[in-house]
Amino acid sequence: KAGVTQTPRYLIKTRGQQVTLSCSPISGHRSVSWYQQTPGQGLQFLFEYFSETQRNKGNFPGRFSGRQFSNSRSEMNVSTLELGDSALYLCASSFGLRGGDGYTFGSGTRLTVV
Amino acid sequence: SQQGEEDPQALSIQEGENATMNCSYKTSINNLQWYRQNSGRGLVHLILIRSNEREKHSGRLRVTLDTSKKSSSLLITASRAADTASYFCATDVGNEKLTFGTGTRLTIIP
Repeated sequence: KAGVTQTPRYLIKTRGQQVTLSCSPISGHRSVSWYQQTPGQGLQFLFEYFSETQRNKGNFPGRFSGRQFSNSRSEMNVSTLELGDSALYLCASSFGLRGGDGYTFGSGTRLTVV
Repeated sequence: SQQGEEDPQALSIQEGENATMNCSYKTSINNLQWYRQNSGRGLVHLILIRSNEREKHSGRLRVTLDTSKKSSSLLITASRAADTASYFCATDVGNEKLTFGTGTRLTIIP
């Protein structure tokens, strides 16, 4: 079966711009979680969506937002980009909440803010 | 600070040797998971061990869990060059998100 698909794979944006990242989970998975990975901070949890509802949120500013559609596809948006937002953004899907049965990750979107 | 901390931070071994990495955590868990990440890619789920289990095997992987010490170890036997990657433990504590540790960077020398 198809894996978790994240688009785009790479993005270069300018400070102050906004960006939208997309994630299509494995068919049948209703939970989608987003993580930010940087060399300094490691993997930091952004938020989790389950059945179109945000179930959990990490400690990120309000510039980071997301949503989930009825087909479980999810998007995350970052507004007013800052240099520090440069990171690998990873989407993970699971059947149940919180990846309690194990996550399947996408390949990530590499965002560079210049 | 991180719920899970891996030790060592980096490990280099010869191909064919065994690799052991450890994970310590702070609070009681429902389960602990190990993931592998090749450079710049997504993470791959390796194995999940529940809090009432002490040991689990999957192929060349062996995971142990000691809830009294709040620690887990991942053993990779007969290492191969393709095992070169970063390895992360992740803990499920119930009502919160799955929290990842800081990772161990494993290098297998051919």
